[in-house]
Amino acid sequence: GNSVTQMEGPVTLSEEAFLTINCTYTATGYPSLFWYVQYPGEGLQLLLKATKADDKGSNKGFEATYRKETTSFHLEKGSVQVSDSAVYFCALSARGGYQKVTFGIGTKLQVIP
Amino acid sequence: DTAVSQTPKYLVTQMGNDKSIKCEQNLGHDTMYWYKQDSKKFLKIMFSYNNKELIINETVPNRFSPKSPDKAHLNLHINSLELGDSAVYFCASCRQADTEAFFGQGTRLTVV
Repeated sequence: GNSVTQMEGPVTLSEEAFLTINCTYTATGYPSLFWYVQYPGEGLQLLLKATKADDKGSNKGFEATYRKETTSFHLEKGSVQVSDSAVYFCALSARGGYQKVTFGIGTKLQVIP
Repeated sequence: DTAVSQTPKYLVTQMGNDKSIKCEQNLGHDTMYWYKQDSKKFLKIMFSYNNKELIINETVPNRFSPKSPDKAHLNLHINSLELGDSAVYFCASCRQADTEAFFGQGTRLTVV
């Protein structure tokens, strides 16, 4: 079956530090890959996505590249802000059929001033 | 307009009660889900519906029963609530399997 392995948190960074959250996946076929963000007290919202190998998703200064050879989709941001404090979920979903979206365990990021 | 809305946002109830959570999406999506998020933020899928038809039913106690009166609505009814049912329940929808999912704001269920 499909699975997503995501680094455990919490991750604590100072403002303007560089962020990497690792994510690797196992899937049959060629899934679409996503990063979702959950701010305190809110639901999940899509941060970025990539639908095929070597695609780079980007949004709000965050980036992730779909690496088929290493089955990875690591999230990066060059300079984090306090407002980036949230829980980040890596996820995948498969093409065709009606399969579920599979989520990683979530990584809590805390950015301190 | 809210894309995926679920009600209530908070629900506090006693053990043994029966309760329902409602979900509606106005995106025209065919697929809807219920997820349970525990206190450690882990998200576990419970059910998936496509065009009112049950597609995925993960290992969930049969006290949980989803109902989809039409493809824009997916309600969750829970019988005989237990302390362990306390969690945040999220409804979500997507256009098709490989596209992004849109989430509701969540329902925080507390069983006392």
